[in-house]
Amino acid sequence: GAGVSQSPSNKVTEKGKDVELRCDPISGHTALYWYRQSLGQGLEFLIYFQGNSAPDKSGLPSDRFSAERTGGSVSTLTIQRTQQEDSAVYLCASSFGSSGSNEQFFGPGTRLTVL
Amino acid sequence: KNEVEQSPQNLTAQEGEFITINCSYSVGISALHWLQQHPGGGIVSLFMLSSGKKKHGRLIATINIQEKHSSLHITASHPRDSAVYICAVSSTGNQFYFGTGTSLTVIP
Repeated sequence: GAGVSQSPSNKVTEKGKDVELRCDPISGHTALYWYRQSLGQGLEFLIYFQGNSAPDKSGLPSDRFSAERTGGSVSTLTIQRTQQEDSAVYLCASSFGSSGSNEQFFGPGTRLTVL
Repeated sequence: KNEVEQSPQNLTAQEGEFITINCSYSVGISALHWLQQHPGGGIVSLFMLSSGKKKHGRLIATINIQEKHSSLHITASHPRDSAVYICAVSSTGNQFYFGTGTSLTVIP
């Protein structure tokens, strides 16, 4: 595809359930980022993958959050035992190289609602 | 403590006005990004800059590295410019910090 895609676009789940959010970056982009945007709040960095390097997980809010990137392409963000405060829009972005020197392209986001 | 501060938080302008949004940051950066988010829409990167000034159409972005400050200017504003404008920085440690955004409304 031409841009970053994310699925699902919307996810409603019950508290305590696990969810998986998917991101397909732009082909050839080596860097992939996950962010969270809570209602009425700014964007928050979660995790950063660069090539085959170990990911920078410093933004993950708790150990219920994890992410992986298979084959240097598709990434999955997993939230275990979801809580109501996890409700937010989860955004994925990719860039050709690190964001320090390259423009990031954002996906449309996944809106997660935890009931 | 916010690594990136934006002002104003909200801005209403008449169509045609010149608009300035300011961004200050406290960390060492490799680049600063200006992003645009329309209501219910995705995020689009407007500018990425590490020095000087960039122009794209009616939009101009400047950065002063010594003062750790950037401005986004919109000339001849139009209602379609109504959006949230977000300043973000890539730190030298590859962290990414966001401002809280400036909500711009341009009235016809």
